[in-house]
Order: sequence, then C-alpha cells, then structure tokens
Amino acid sequence: EVQVVESGGGLVQPGGSLRLSCAASGFTFSTYWMTWVRQAPGKGLEWVANIKGDGSEIYYMDSVKGRFTVSRDNAKNSLYLQMNSLRAEDTAVYYCARAWALDFWGQGTLVTVSS
Amino acid sequence: QSVLTQPPSLSAAAGQKVTISCSGRTSNIGNNHLSWYQQVPGRAPKLLIYENNKRPSGIPDRFSGSKSGTSATLGITGLQTGDEADYYCGAWDSSLSAGVFGGGTKLTVL
Repeated sequence: EVQVVESGGGLVQPGGSLRLSCAASGFTFSTYWMTWVRQAPGKGLEWVANIKGDGSEIYYMDSVKGRFTVSRDNAKNSLYLQMNSLRAEDTAVYYCARAWALDFWGQGTLVTVSS
Repeated sequence: QSVLTQPPSLSAAAGQKVTISCSGRTSNIGNNHLSWYQQVPGRAPKLLIYENNKRPSGIPDRFSGSKSGTSATLGITGLQTGDEADYYCGAWDSSLSAGVFGGGTKLTVL
C-alpha cells in the first residue's frame, strides 16, 4: 500500500526555521518525482516545490525561492523541506504528494508562523 | 489570484450532472497535462483525473475529464451527497517552471 506521512510541523516565530519530513512506503521511492503542496487556512491549494527521483532537478514557486530547500534521501525513502526566514504568509498545512500527477497525498502537517 | 481560473462555487441536484471549468494559458493547460483533485473538508486532496482524461484505479466512471486548447472540464454525473467537496484543477506551467492550481470550486449537492 502506497503511503506518505508528513511530520515536523509546529509553531515558529517569524524569521525562524523549520524542517518538514515526508516518509514514503509501498513504492520505489527513488523512481518518483515528489512534490510539496500547501494550503493556508480556508484557502486553496498552492504548489510549493518538487524534486526529481534522483534529486537532479528541483523547482520552486517564486515566493519561496532562496528561503525553502527541498531534498530527499532515497536510502531512507524520505523527502524533506527545509524552511528558513519563515513569514506569516507561510502558515499552512503542508502536504507531500507523489509524482507529477500527485496521485497519493499525505495527511499534511500544520505550520504556524506567529509571534 | 490563481493562475488557473475556476468558478468559485456550483450547485446541482442529486442525480444530476455538473461540469466544472478550468481555464488557463498555452504555457500551462495548452502544453501540459491537467489533473483534477477532490478535497472533502478536513481531508487531504484526492486525485480524480490525470493526464486530462484518465481515471486512477478506484475512481468511478461518473467522473470524467476533457481538455480543449487552454481550457479543461471536469464532469460528474449521477451526483451524490458524498460528492460535496472542493474541486481543484492543476497543471505544470512551462513559463513559470512551477506547478499551478485553480482557486477551487465548492460543489454543493442539493
């Protein structure tokens, strides 16, 4: 059974940092693109970043470039999102999803940026 | 302001058919595959349609997708109360080198 499980969310002050993790199981992790998508409270979906199976290609949405870094450890079947210089507008549930079509999603982890 | 444009809300009676539109540009819908997602409040999104018109295993054939030029449509027939949800379209945007979503359509089944 395909599963992706996010963790690492929490409350952080503006300007702070947080590292999200996504543990994958039930598929050959290293062969799939993986994507981070976020959803602010009461708002729609927002694509954040993705990374190719071997890590050789990475793309980011404009507003997180230079602040967020996506990475993966294929030996651990894990995806990461390092978030620095966090802003109030980064407050959202962060989901990891598999592949270009986003065919499997985790339950999400809530990141709250507030003083 | 979302890159892809969807109607904010739609309603239809149980048993009827509804279509949800998604419009964009050549750089996204025009040149790339489109997907549709269903999100029940409080839950994670679920893939309904990928590559414009393909259904993943387990998605009933009441759900269908089509694409023409820079627009796409999700069709749902035989509406059920369980279909009440938010629906999002999504695609890759070659100009932005990023994924993009529509703003979402809230479907109410009367």
